[in-house]
Amino acid sequence: NAGVTQTPKFQVLKTGQSMTLQCAQDMNHEYMSWYRQDPGMGLRLIHYSVGAGITDQGEVPNGYNVSRSTTEDFPLRLLSAAPSQTSVYFCASTSQGPSAEQYFGPGTRLTVT
Amino acid sequence: GNSVTQMEGPVTLSEEAFLTINCTYTATGYPSLFWYVQYPGEGLQLLLKATKADDKGSNKGFEATYRKETTSFHLEKGSVQVSDSAVYFCALSGGGSNYKLTFGKGTLLTVNP
Repeated sequence: NAGVTQTPKFQVLKTGQSMTLQCAQDMNHEYMSWYRQDPGMGLRLIHYSVGAGITDQGEVPNGYNVSRSTTEDFPLRLLSAAPSQTSVYFCASTSQGPSAEQYFGPGTRLTVT
Repeated sequence: GNSVTQMEGPVTLSEEAFLTINCTYTATGYPSLFWYVQYPGEGLQLLLKATKADDKGSNKGFEATYRKETTSFHLEKGSVQVSDSAVYFCALSGGGSNYKLTFGKGTLLTVNP
């Protein structure tokens, strides 16, 4: 049971390049989310999914796309990277219930130059 | 909308000192409240939680009580250790949407021997 895994761990992009951050969970959780962490800002929700085929926007969705074709995987796509997207990205999953714990991946540190 | 305000850091303490990190929230309805901890270079992990008024969450010597009348969920520990050095995040989920956490900005705690 690996929990939530994310790849890559580190990435450097040039402005305008595209890439996909991978996230997978093996806990059969319905809910998955992407957050970004910036200094002094805490974590902010980018996109989330309540099940395969269903996604929705969070607090800061601009510049990011997501899809959820399987329960296990929830990739985050940057179509045209910008320096403002330099951040640490965390994927999380959780089971149903208002007080269920969210399980976080180890994060991807992205730098856009 | 929902919001979380927590004590700004950094906080620096000596080993065995008493710790308090203040957290207040604004939310509609009856949110669940959480404290997450992030050790250096790692993702977030749940430290403790409380799901209704007057509930006390506790774990690893840390405690926090859900105070509806003051909309607070302050984190306390009677005697901190060097190994408690980390960033602590207060968070809430509301309206049954546990997949949409709202985080405070985080408080960096450093404990010196």
